[in-house]
Amino acid sequence: GAVVSQHPSWVICKSGTSVKIECRSLDFQATTMFWYRQFPKQSLMLMATSNEGSKATYEQGVEKDKFLINHASLTLSTLTVTSAHPEDSSFYICSALAVTSYEQYFGPGTRLTVT
Amino acid sequence: GQQLNQSPQSMFIQEGEDVSMNCTSSSIFNTWLWYKQDPGEGPVLLIALYKAGELTSNGRLTAQFGITRKDSFLNISASIPSDVGIYFCAANSGGSNYKLTFGKGTLLTVNP
Repeated sequence: GAVVSQHPSWVICKSGTSVKIECRSLDFQATTMFWYRQFPKQSLMLMATSNEGSKATYEQGVEKDKFLINHASLTLSTLTVTSAHPEDSSFYICSALAVTSYEQYFGPGTRLTVT
Repeated sequence: GQQLNQSPQSMFIQEGEDVSMNCTSSSIFNTWLWYKQDPGEGPVLLIALYKAGELTSNGRLTAQFGITRKDSFLNISASIPSDVGIYFCAANSGGSNYKLTFGKGTLLTVNP
């Protein structure tokens, strides 16, 4: 149990376009999901906290207009990278907080490459 | 902000050897967690610690939540080649936000 999926697993897009990444909790409900970014050989950096039915909370330095987060249901959160640039190329990982245990389960990540 | 100082940054060991890594902080945390990340994958939870002084095992892995609540260590005994990966400590300071702070990771290489 406690499986989190992400789609797509990798994506290549052109500079200036937008990309949507989905995060789903497959067998549990999550009122809270988190979005992280990880650059090569670095740790996970929290970008934002996504709460079902309300606005996301962004960490300092993360542009909310560039990284749009929607958490429309208890099992799905989406991250849209708008007007992507090469510097947005990174590994994006989501995690879901199980409402019953309050443990965080991580997705497999999405590799974004902006050309 | 809160930071976790994880060491060592990397380790090269022979198969069968024991490994130890640790995380320290100047801040107090209520939960310590240890994750393993394989290349191109998300982190997988290895051990979660919820009480100061708690010592928990998961197979060949043992972790402890420091009594001061500012540190934690992870030991791996009798390492095997599949232990290769990056190990991260993470901690949560409590409250209702459940946000995790991550250490910078320890890259473990096991020579068969």
